[in-house]
Amino acid sequence: GAVVSQHPSRVICKSGTSVKIECRSLDFQATTMFWYRQFPKQSLMLMATSNEGSKATYEQGVEKDKFLINHASLTLSTLTVTSAHPEDSSFYICSASGGWGTGELFFGEGSRLTVL
Amino acid sequence: AQSVTQLDSHVSVSEGTPVLLRCNYSSSYSPSLFWYVQHPNKGLQLLLKYTSAATLVKGINGFEAEFKKSETSFHLTKPSAHMSDAAEYFCVVSDQDSSASKIIFGSGTRLSIRP
Repeated sequence: GAVVSQHPSRVICKSGTSVKIECRSLDFQATTMFWYRQFPKQSLMLMATSNEGSKATYEQGVEKDKFLINHASLTLSTLTVTSAHPEDSSFYICSASGGWGTGELFFGEGSRLTVL
Repeated sequence: AQSVTQLDSHVSVSEGTPVLLRCNYSSSYSPSLFWYVQHPNKGLQLLLKYTSAATLVKGINGFEAEFKKSETSFHLTKPSAHMSDAAEYFCVVSDQDSSASKIIFGSGTRLSIRP
């Protein structure tokens, strides 16, 4: 199946700094990628839909200026958590669409962010 | 509108016994249905998918699911649980006729396996 690589898998940063997480589709072109946040023992919460070459579409309640998403190429989307605070600590997961109409998603391995 | 309900937040079975994880859905269109598995601190892995072909779908690791339109269900089963099956399982529904952003996740079911 298709492979999505997410990096870094773990990151620890100080409060007030910014952290960038990368999501790459390794063997296919992904015009659409999705970013999720997952709290402990909970399901995935969709944060935003990243469209190649255009602005991301954010879900209600997600701060655009806080979570910057860039999808500059068909194989790379990035999520930057700006001015991170301890409440931003979470597990962030990206996924890429497997193609129109199938609905199948290919997931990255996730990134554990800890803000001190 | 779409929705998906996983009826059990936690299921515990003994190793070697059958597994049943329940999922009910609602969809305005012809749905695609998926089961994903997530091991701790990992991304999600596709177990199986239904996309309007055979109603009984076989997936990886011995799992299978049956699409029952009359019951709007897509329950996940496995005849004999293995310790390595302990994980979180998500039922997912998407509309085949709309954009991929109409993908809805269930709340998840944590499967525990007793030795």
